[in-house]
Order: sequence, then structure tokens, then C-alpha cells
Amino acid sequence: EAGVAQSPRYKIIEKRQSVAFWCNPISGHATLYWYQQILGQGPKLLIQFQNNGVVDDSQLPKDRFSAERLKGVDSTLKIQPAKLEDSAVYLCASSFSRSDPIQETQYFGPGTRLLVL
Amino acid sequence: GQQLNQSPQSMFIQEGEDVSMNCTSSSIFNTWLWYKQDPGEGPVLLIALYKAGELTSNGRLTAQFGITRKDSFLNISASIPSDVGIYFCAGLTGGTSYGKLTFGQGTILTVHP
Repeated sequence: EAGVAQSPRYKIIEKRQSVAFWCNPISGHATLYWYQQILGQGPKLLIQFQNNGVVDDSQLPKDRFSAERLKGVDSTLKIQPAKLEDSAVYLCASSFSRSDPIQETQYFGPGTRLLVL
Repeated sequence: GQQLNQSPQSMFIQEGEDVSMNCTSSSIFNTWLWYKQDPGEGPVLLIALYKAGELTSNGRLTAQFGITRKDSFLNISASIPSDVGIYFCAGLTGGTSYGKLTFGQGTILTVHP
């Protein structure tokens, strides 16, 4: 079974530039998550989709971050404009559903490492 | 917001030794999870705990869901060099509703051959 795919794996940009990350979840997984992991910390949830609808974006800095999952499969996360403090690993995860704890098990992609100079 | 306090922050051990790490919270969680993250990779699920008091094993790994639902521990027996990595505890709220995963700060494990 293919895992969660993410691209690019690495990105270096200058502050105030824009950047976009792509995620392809495990086939059949209805729920998709984007996390931000700052060096030395655990991942922090940014946004959660159920199919193509947002169910939790309470920790997404909406003035500069946006995310979409138009067809309920792939997702993109965008930062515009980027700040120095956005340097982090952006992880995408997916789960089968949210109907019970076992089906909520989240599987993570390898992440995109962003460096903002 | 919810916070998980994970300890120790780092461990340096000899191959063959046993390892123990734990996670505590001021909030109750319905599910406790333990993940391992290797350099350049995303976290990989090691053990999932769904009931208070539950003790679960996965090979050399053993984890327990605290009775109060506010803590969990992970033990690794007879450590080997490939156990090196960062171990995260995570708590899941919501159960049958909108589950939100909260992670601890991680325990960095170094195993000397």
C-alpha cells in the first residue's frame, strides 16, 4: 500500500516570497491533516479536512496560510508571504475516517522542509 | 490549549539497555499514541492505546494508558542501534467526533553500540 506522498521534499525561499506544498493521501482516506513541526518540537496541527471540507483550522494563521482540498483527494498548503518564523517541516497525514479511534489512526508523509531566509 | 509534557527530553544509553519514557497531561485523552520519527522522515505509529489501564506490546515495545487517562509510558527492552530516533507521545481527543492529535515535545534516543 502506497503511503502519504508529499512534494517538494525541500524548499528554500526568501522572506515575503510565496510557497506551496502538495500532499497526496493514502487511497481511500477521507481525512487529511497538515501539521507544522518546528525544530525541536512535536508536530502542531494547522488544518484538518474531512473529504473536501474544513473541520478544524483554528491554529492556521489565516492572514498568510491557506489550504484547499478541492476534489477531496490531493491537498495544497500555501504560505503567502512567508516569514522567517515559518521555517519548519510541514507534514501531511491522512486517516481512513473519524468514526472511531482505530479508523482515526493517522499516517504521516515524509514532510517538506522549508527554510525561509 | 492542551499540552503534553514528555520526559526525558533526551537519553543516551548503551545497546542492550532498557529504556523508559513517559508523557503527562493536565487534560484527559481518549486515545494515547506513541510515534517514532527518524531524521528526514515523518512520524511512524508504534503503538496505539484505546482504553484506560490498557497495556499493549509490539515486539520489544510496551506502552500503557494511564488509569486517569492523563498519562502514558513507553518502554523499550534490549535496545538496539536502530532504535535511535525521536519518540513522540500523542493524545487524541474527540473519539467519535472531530479528533485532534496533540503531540509531546519528543524524547531523543541515542543508542551507543
